[in-house]
Amino acid sequence: GESVGLHLPTLSVQEGDNSIINCAYSNSASDYFIWYKQESGKGPQFIIDIRSNMDKRQGQRVTVLLNKTVKHLSLQIAATQPGDSAVYFCAEKRRSQGNLIFGKGTKLSVKP
Amino acid sequence: DAGVTQSPTHLIKTRGQQVTLRCSPKSGHDTVSWYQQALGQGPQFIFQYYEEEERQRGNFPDRFSGHQFPNYSSELNVNALLLGDSALYLCASSFGQGSYEQYFGPGTRLTVT
Repeated sequence: GESVGLHLPTLSVQEGDNSIINCAYSNSASDYFIWYKQESGKGPQFIIDIRSNMDKRQGQRVTVLLNKTVKHLSLQIAATQPGDSAVYFCAEKRRSQGNLIFGKGTKLSVKP
Repeated sequence: DAGVTQSPTHLIKTRGQQVTLRCSPKSGHDTVSWYQQALGQGPQFIFQYYEEEERQRGNFPDRFSGHQFPNYSSELNVNALLLGDSALYLCASSFGQGSYEQYFGPGTRLTVT
């Protein structure tokens, strides 16, 4: 079926290192992709988004890359901090639909 | 500016009972979507309300129903609760039915025993 998924369920990095979280999607009709951060006991928090007509978008310490050829999405976090520890979800949205389709999530643990 | 709020925070119910969860959207938003998040999983879309009508629905049985009020707030009702309904229920609001930006509330943790 069509889905948004993640390559790695867990990721452990050292504080100060860069983190890369990956995501694969299967539907080429998706035109919008979002990364959410979810801390324990909280709802998903928007991090950064990218439209399908872009390859790269940068925010503060975060960069999202979109490779439409292989249907791959990644989130790069520079100088990872303990406060970045959370579960990260990628989600896709299709223009004709109102809902977001989420993957299972990657848990990021930052070691001090 | 208040964000999306949900009530209650936690809820414990028994199998077969009915439950109502509430959501107030972010100021200026008129569309509310509900998601179910099982432990260790990503959120799954239940349905979306716009202009007081259900506009889109995910793959959930009709035990799940909802309502949107004139002030844009919304309720999620679940009848005949099953153990498998235990999850975090998230409300997301946006401006416009097809908006790309959805803001999530903190969720309601429902436990069915």
